[in-house]
Amino acid sequence: GQQVMQIPQYQHVQEGEDFTTYCNSSTTLSNIQWYKQRPGGHPVFLIQLVKSGEVKKQKRLTFQFGEAKKNSSLHITATQTTDVGTYFCAGPMDRDDKIIFGKGTRLHILP
Amino acid sequence: SQTIHQWPATLVQPVGSPLSLECTVEGTSNPNLYWYRQAAGRGLQLLFYSVGIGQISSEVPQNLSASRPQDRQFILSSKKLLLSDSGFYLCAWSWGRTYEQYFGPGTRLTVT
Repeated sequence: GQQVMQIPQYQHVQEGEDFTTYCNSSTTLSNIQWYKQRPGGHPVFLIQLVKSGEVKKQKRLTFQFGEAKKNSSLHITATQTTDVGTYFCAGPMDRDDKIIFGKGTRLHILP
Repeated sequence: SQTIHQWPATLVQPVGSPLSLECTVEGTSNPNLYWYRQAAGRGLQLLFYSVGIGQISSEVPQNLSASRPQDRQFILSSKKLLLSDSGFYLCAWSWGRTYEQYFGPGTRLTVT
């Protein structure tokens, strides 16, 4: 069946270092979405990418959608303690009214 | 603007007791509604989704059920809770299947 996979599952970085999480789909996606869940909180929508090769930036966060629309990445430059949390990617399933979430990448920041 | 409410925020229930969690959305009409469960430190498991009143699609659960009695109300129920039902229950809405989802604050359920 259709799957969305994320790597790594966990990442520990020193504060100030960069961080990247990768998302791969088994099928072509019409769009890819990214969410952030702070510890103890609920997932919050960050961004949606639609076009092949699209790149979007939100301050220190850079999101990319692959040319084949089957993979995506989220890169954080110079991490801060406020970046702690789990980052999920998600994409729509064919035909059904739902999206598939990856299992997420949990980011820990070491002070 | 749109707002999504969930209650209660936390719940401790004994095994075998019933469950009713409610989710309501304000500020939009005919939203797609979703129930997810998240085990501690894990990903999101889709339980149910609904594209309209009375229309429920079930993904996984055996002893859980969902209902949508009104356009912007989504209810998750169980007649008899199991220990394995413990988790973080999240309700979400979207404008359509390809659109981003907005999550409620969630209910932390502990079954003892």
